[in-house]
Amino acid sequence: QQQVKQSPQSLIVQKGGIPIINCAYENTAFDYFPWYQQFPGKGPALLIAIRPDVSEKKEGRFTISFNKSAKQFSLHIMDSQPGDSATYFCAASRGKLIFGQGTELSVKP
Amino acid sequence: DAGVIQSPRHEVTEMGQEVTLRCKPISGHDYLFWYRQTMMRGLELLIYFNNNVPIDDSGMPEDRFSAKMPNASFSTLKIQPSEPRDSAVYFCASSLWGGDNEQFFGPGTRLTVL
Repeated sequence: QQQVKQSPQSLIVQKGGIPIINCAYENTAFDYFPWYQQFPGKGPALLIAIRPDVSEKKEGRFTISFNKSAKQFSLHIMDSQPGDSATYFCAASRGKLIFGQGTELSVKP
Repeated sequence: DAGVIQSPRHEVTEMGQEVTLRCKPISGHDYLFWYRQTMMRGLELLIYFNNNVPIDDSGMPEDRFSAKMPNASFSTLKIQPSEPRDSAVYFCASSLWGGDNEQFFGPGTRLTVL
């Protein structure tokens, strides 16, 4: 019930492509769904977050799509750049964050 | 602000030794979180504090692990005695309003137990 399942484990796209990372959760009590970005040797940093009262949120090239009935949410990165190469973690929270396993994204020039 | 500060950045120790990891949260943040990151288990919450009081320590793996927050600007995570399976990157994070809001992570401490 506390798990957050993330896929794929790794993803390679060409520059300009639109990588999509998916997450699923079980606990309907979760009320905050952030995505964190982590570069090698650094701590995770918040990228974008959504609450379950909206189905989509966009910030710059990053979009979260949220499907409450399916208990799924996803991250889309528009016009991806080599600088977006990092590990992305979804998470779900009700007071404390439960992280997915992470997706290692590589954007090729 | 300098962000969340952790020390040391790297620690190599031998099995059985005591290890103390340190964290200074962002000034004014009322919440402090300790996480552990490994390839096998990913990022997992160990314990978090609100206003220096431990709120949830259900993620602390064993009694060998303990955490304290003696004041608003300092926290420690201690492992005594350490074991090779404790090898991981340990992150400290702080937040203004708790787990349902942005958490600011420190750079982490890479612990290797031989």
